[in-house]
Amino acid sequence: AQSVTQLDSHVSVSEGTPVLLRCNYSSSYSPSLFWYVQHPNKGLQLLLKYTSAATLVKGINGFEAEFKKSETSFHLTKPSAHMSDAAEYFCVVTGTGGYQKVTFGTGTKLQVIP
Amino acid sequence: GAGVSQSPSNKVTEKGKDVELRCDPISGHTALYWYRQSLGQGLEFLIYFQGNSAPDKSGLPSDRFSAERTGGSVSTLTIQRTQQEDSAVYLCASSLGIVRRAGNEQFFGPGTRLTVL
Repeated sequence: AQSVTQLDSHVSVSEGTPVLLRCNYSSSYSPSLFWYVQHPNKGLQLLLKYTSAATLVKGINGFEAEFKKSETSFHLTKPSAHMSDAAEYFCVVTGTGGYQKVTFGTGTKLQVIP
Repeated sequence: GAGVSQSPSNKVTEKGKDVELRCDPISGHTALYWYRQSLGQGLEFLIYFQGNSAPDKSGLPSDRFSAERTGGSVSTLTIQRTQQEDSAVYLCASSLGIVRRAGNEQFFGPGTRLTVL
């Protein structure tokens, strides 16, 4: 069984300040973890992914995430928020077994205040 | 090559009518997923295809919903006797679907916005 919990449904930050979007997961297998972003009226786009290589993963647009097995977390961070980062962010877990079931978190809406 | 495409982009229908939503995955992608995203909600998993078979249909909300995939490519999601609560954006995604390989990224289509009046 696997699940994903995004701890915050909404996060609001000022432009230029750090961003932290939290994600915790559970999985019976060694998981793969992803962050996707969805801008208003746009499709879902992959930000970054973890697949058991380096635990600190760098993605597009300055985002990165760290896989912490002991904490079962995969939090998304960015040092300095930009107005264009305002969007909804989804944490996703998949297994690596015969069926790669995909489980999405409920999403976190990021608001960036000028 | 082309990404995942979905048609129609918008569909308005009357309650009780049947609708068909189409998804064309990226060529060579064996895994295909359907999701539903209601206004202000996250993604709700509906069904997963590996090739033409559907090992996981657990997300289909009722027997009014069905899906098929032919030739390991195009998939159709059919909703019979539509209800107002079916109104949502229906998203399709595909991935390489290589078994025992980690990190198969999903590529999403633009979605079909379904409105049931």
